[in-house]
Amino acid sequence: QKEVEQNSGPLSVPEGAIASLNCTYSDRGSQSFFWYRQYSGKSPELIMSIYSNGDKEDGRFTAQLNKASQYVSLLIRDSQPSDSATYLCASPGYNFNKFYFGSGTKLNVKP
Amino acid sequence: DAGVIQSPRHEVTEMGQEVTLRCKPISGHNSLFWYRQTMMRGLELLIYFNNNVPIDDSGMPEDRFSAKMPNASFSTLKIQPSEPRDSAVYFCASNPDRGTNTEAFFGQGTRLTVV
Repeated sequence: QKEVEQNSGPLSVPEGAIASLNCTYSDRGSQSFFWYRQYSGKSPELIMSIYSNGDKEDGRFTAQLNKASQYVSLLIRDSQPSDSATYLCASPGYNFNKFYFGSGTKLNVKP
Repeated sequence: DAGVIQSPRHEVTEMGQEVTLRCKPISGHNSLFWYRQTMMRGLELLIYFNNNVPIDDSGMPEDRFSAKMPNASFSTLKIQPSEPRDSAVYFCASNPDRGTNTEAFFGQGTRLTVV
């Protein structure tokens, strides 16, 4: 079992819709989670981090964490074509800083 | 700060040759990671250094791969001999190691092609 797992997609949504990206993790001791966005041919860049159960909002992005279910999600409201990218979920795990990544979910936002 | 700097950006080499990838982490960052990214396997953690010491190299695929961090500002990943299946994008990332609530910062990556 991988430490962090994601559905590889692709996930296609129309422009203006809500995109929902999901991630599960295996290490119950994990305390922090990160969502990265990676455009084709580029390096991953951080868009959201979350450490506590519940929701965290930043502009059009909302990260959700449920530690009991070992589940993390990212919602993108009012999706734009520029949001089309691969979204990677990451966690350092209980053993800090090993930074395991999921395989990524490819999001396509259609105009 | 210039961010994490990797070189070269692109490398094409023949099978059997030695390849050395280089990384300069962000100044003051104590943790350094090497990743390999392919379509099939995604982003794989190869090795993790903390304060220049290799902490976990369980992700290194074979003895052909080796990594060093001789000082806080420089790390190398070496493949000897290289094989076509090593073709991938190799990323270096660093982290200030101030606990769990800190992100990893990525370099631009090295695209390696072994022919």
